Amino acid sequence: DAGITQSPRHKVTETGTPVTLRCHQTENHRYMYWYRQDPGHGLRLIHYSYGVKDTDKGEVSDGYSVSRSKTEDFLLTLESATSSQTSVYFCAISEIAGGPDTQYFGPGTRLTVL
Amino acid sequence: AQSVTQPDIHITVSEGASLELRCNYSYGATPYLFWYVQSPGQGLQLLLKYFSGDTLVQGIKGFEAEFKRSQSSFNLRKPSVHWSDAAEYFCAVGAGAGGTSYGKLTFGQGTILTVHP
Repeated sequence: DAGITQSPRHKVTETGTPVTLRCHQTENHRYMYWYRQDPGHGLRLIHYSYGVKDTDKGEVSDGYSVSRSKTEDFLLTLESATSSQTSVYFCAISEIAGGPDTQYFGPGTRLTVL
Repeated sequence: AQSVTQPDIHITVSEGASLELRCNYSYGATPYLFWYVQSPGQGLQLLLKYFSGDTLVQGIKGFEAEFKRSQSSFNLRKPSVHWSDAAEYFCAVGAGAGGTSYGKLTFGQGTILTVHP
């Protein structure tokens, strides 16, 4: 299994509070991704990173920001959490060399916004 | 834009029966296709992938998938299902080199597989 951890694994918070989720990898992979998983929608890309300090938006980026100051860490921040952001969040990593490579997923973080 | 459709939200089969999960994609160029499996409360595990070459690809756990360009499909099959195969299955399409969406995946909605003893 790829060395990917996510913290926290579960979190309950209140509307309007800031929340930061952490993804940590030990594979030294260049690319990192944040997805959210909701019933009936599969996984949808929030943001991704193609290197330290290099990030770009995915299809559902509104209300989220990311940062990557080190290769191994990719942070997802909800500046002011809303109930619509209740979801399961997955981090993924890949090392693309000449073509799309396999993305390996972390165990997920279940976030509940009350 | 690329998209993936999994027409079956939920499939139920008996243990030992054959299985086929459908996946249709929309993409303007040669797609890169993946099947992932997710057990309850777990992350996603790669079953198999198609990048190029032989259109019938073998994966882990006895699964295989066939890429059919003419039908824009990448259906997942298994000849004999085991109770441990009960999970949710996701098809995904990735962009090829040169596109602005390089490296990003688009997932289908998922198919939940229930296995009856």
